[in-house]
Amino acid sequence: DTGVSQDPRHKITKRGQNVTFRCDPISEHNRLYWYRQTLGQGPEFLTYFQNEAQLEKSRLLSDRFSAERPKGSFSTLEIQRTEQGDSAMYLCASSSDRGPQPQHFGDGTRLSIL
Amino acid sequence: GQNIDQPTEMTATEGAIVQINCTYQTSGFNGLFWYQQHAGEAPTFLSYNVLDGLEEKGRFSSFLSRSKGYSYLLLKELQMKDSASYLCAVDNTDKLIFGTGTRLQVFP
Repeated sequence: DTGVSQDPRHKITKRGQNVTFRCDPISEHNRLYWYRQTLGQGPEFLTYFQNEAQLEKSRLLSDRFSAERPKGSFSTLEIQRTEQGDSAMYLCASSSDRGPQPQHFGDGTRLSIL
Repeated sequence: GQNIDQPTEMTATEGAIVQINCTYQTSGFNGLFWYQQHAGEAPTFLSYNVLDGLEEKGRFSSFLSRSKGYSYLLLKELQMKDSASYLCAVDNTDKLIFGTGTRLQVFP
C-alpha cells in the first residue's frame, strides 16, 4: 500500500492556461474524490467517482473544471482557462465502498496562478 | 444549508489535555470524521463516529451526540508534534463536508 499519489506537487501557470492534475488512488479502493483547499479553510468537495462512474459533482464547480477516471484506476482533473481564484491546493482522496470507511488523502497539488 | 463550526485556534501545554469541539447542521449524516493536518501535508484520518458515544484510540478520543449535532476530539498527554490543524468532517451521502479546522499550538 503506497498511499494516494498526486502529480505534480506544485504547478505554477499563467492566467488563461489549461492545467491537468493526476491522482493515483490506493489500488484496492474503488472510490475516488477530488477536493479543493484554500489557506485557513477545510477541504471543499468537488466531485467523486465510484469505479469509472462520476457520481456527483459540486454545484460550485464551474464548467471549466472536468474530471475523468477512464479505467476506474487513476483520475485526472483538468481546469481550463485558469483564473486567479483557482489558486488552491487540490486534494485527491480514495476509499473503499464497504461500509463506513475513512477517505485517505494524497499530499495534493498546489496550483498558483500568476 | 450545510454548516460545521469549530474554534479557529487553540493553545495548550505539552502533557496537558485539550478538547476540540465541533457542531454541525447538515442535510445528511452518515457519520463524523476527525482528521489531523500538518501545514503543507495531507489530512490524515484520526477517528470516526457514527453512533452516539465515545470512541477511544490511544491518546485520541472522539465523542458524538447526534441529537445535539455535536462532537469533540479529546487529545491527552499532548506532545509538541500534536501541533497541527484538526478538521471535523461530516459524511454527507458519501462526500465529506469539512469545517474550517482548528489550529492547535502546543507549547513546552
